[in-house]
Amino acid sequence: AQRVTQPEKLLSVFKGAPVELKCNYSYSGSPELFWYVQYSRQRLQLLLRHISRESIKGFTADLNKGETSFHLKKPFAQEEDSAMYYCALRRSGGYNKLIFGAGTRLAVHP
Amino acid sequence: EPEVTQTPSHQVTQMGQEVILRCVPISNHLYFYWYRQILGQKVEFLVSFYNNEISEKSEIFDDQFSVERPDGSNFTLKIRSTKLEDSAMYFCASTGQPGETQYFGPGTRLLVL
Repeated sequence: AQRVTQPEKLLSVFKGAPVELKCNYSYSGSPELFWYVQYSRQRLQLLLRHISRESIKGFTADLNKGETSFHLKKPFAQEEDSAMYYCALRRSGGYNKLIFGAGTRLAVHP
Repeated sequence: EPEVTQTPSHQVTQMGQEVILRCVPISNHLYFYWYRQILGQKVEFLVSFYNNEISEKSEIFDDQFSVERPDGSNFTLKIRSTKLEDSAMYFCASTGQPGETQYFGPGTRLLVL
């Protein structure tokens, strides 16, 4: 079965601290992994995807197939990073559905 | 930048009533989705739709649910006889090309009393 696990419901850090939001997945095939972010009162929006291997707003995520993980990292958190972060998986290719984790709320304090 | 839009933003209905949630996907997109999120739970896939047909549906998407593309722009989700447990945020999403990201609407918050 396809599953995405985000073990932390809430991650609370101070501004300038490093952040790591954990995501583990189970999938027997070749997945695509995504991080979506939802700022307060806004829609879900794509933050990054593993195939892009890019850094968005200072965030990076590396797909580790051995550990089946796709953790989201940022070296120095900013207050504006406070949001809900969802890790999602999709079977590669085509128009397949997204399977979401439960989400982690990141709270960055001044 | 084009966006997916959804109406209404909030809807309150009585148990047993029919509701129609509306979505306008991004104009050149071809593949459409509905997801829902019950309060405090994860975002769950309901159904995907392509070329005027359901491509995939989850076990949540039972006979009470239906989707339609009544014209060239709207994509609707109908719940025939709402139950209390249908209370949730419903998200529409669309995508243009295979492998492209899905773009989400702002959601409709449905409350069934």
